[in-house]
Amino acid sequence: AQKITQTQPGMFVQEKEAVTLDCTYDTSDPSYGLFWYKQPSSGEMIFLIYQGSYDQQNATEGRYSLNFQKARKSANLVISASQLGDSAMYFCAMREALTGANSKLTFGKGITLSVRP
Amino acid sequence: DTAVSQTPKYLVTQMGNDKSIKCEQNLGHDTMYWYKQDSKKFLKIMFSYNNKELIINETVPNRFSPKSPDKAHLNLHINSLELGDSAVYFCASSPQGDLRPQHFGDGTRLSIL
Repeated sequence: AQKITQTQPGMFVQEKEAVTLDCTYDTSDPSYGLFWYKQPSSGEMIFLIYQGSYDQQNATEGRYSLNFQKARKSANLVISASQLGDSAMYFCAMREALTGANSKLTFGKGITLSVRP
Repeated sequence: DTAVSQTPKYLVTQMGNDKSIKCEQNLGHDTMYWYKQDSKKFLKIMFSYNNKELIINETVPNRFSPKSPDKAHLNLHINSLELGDSAVYFCASSPQGDLRPQHFGDGTRLSIL
């Protein structure tokens, strides 16, 4: 079974509007971390935001926030006030604690976001 | 200062050749990784090292051999390159034993002719 699911097709948003990128995950580990990375067309992987499974509050980093719904196993990324530079591919990923030293990032397939002027 | 740097950024070579990609991190992290991103942009882990010790070895052909001379370096050597090896290879690092983010290098785009 897939651990990270990103099913949205390419997403479009008007500049200055907010957009939500969906991510659901599957784990039986009570302790895990959820991450979002951005990959622009230049190719580098940029870390955006992190949510721990025991964190009481949703993570926020500037214009990025994570809508963490633990019971539904979803960790959607919300980008507020979209900018043209937000056009990129966005990856949701998870690390599980029980795997200990073997803890690795498992990625979703990614979502392409295009911001329209 | 670049946190995770990998060289070269681009690598174009012929089938059958042997090539290496180097990675260095100056973050003081104990754990380093190699990921492969295929043509469909799917990212999958290949290897991880913790303090120079191999921890994760996913199902990767044994033509791929990682080497970690010290905890700040993790190199990837590939023998007898094949067309299917064309991909972007990312190095990453993270602190040991917690779930904090991994930091990625800029990637090496390997193209096999």
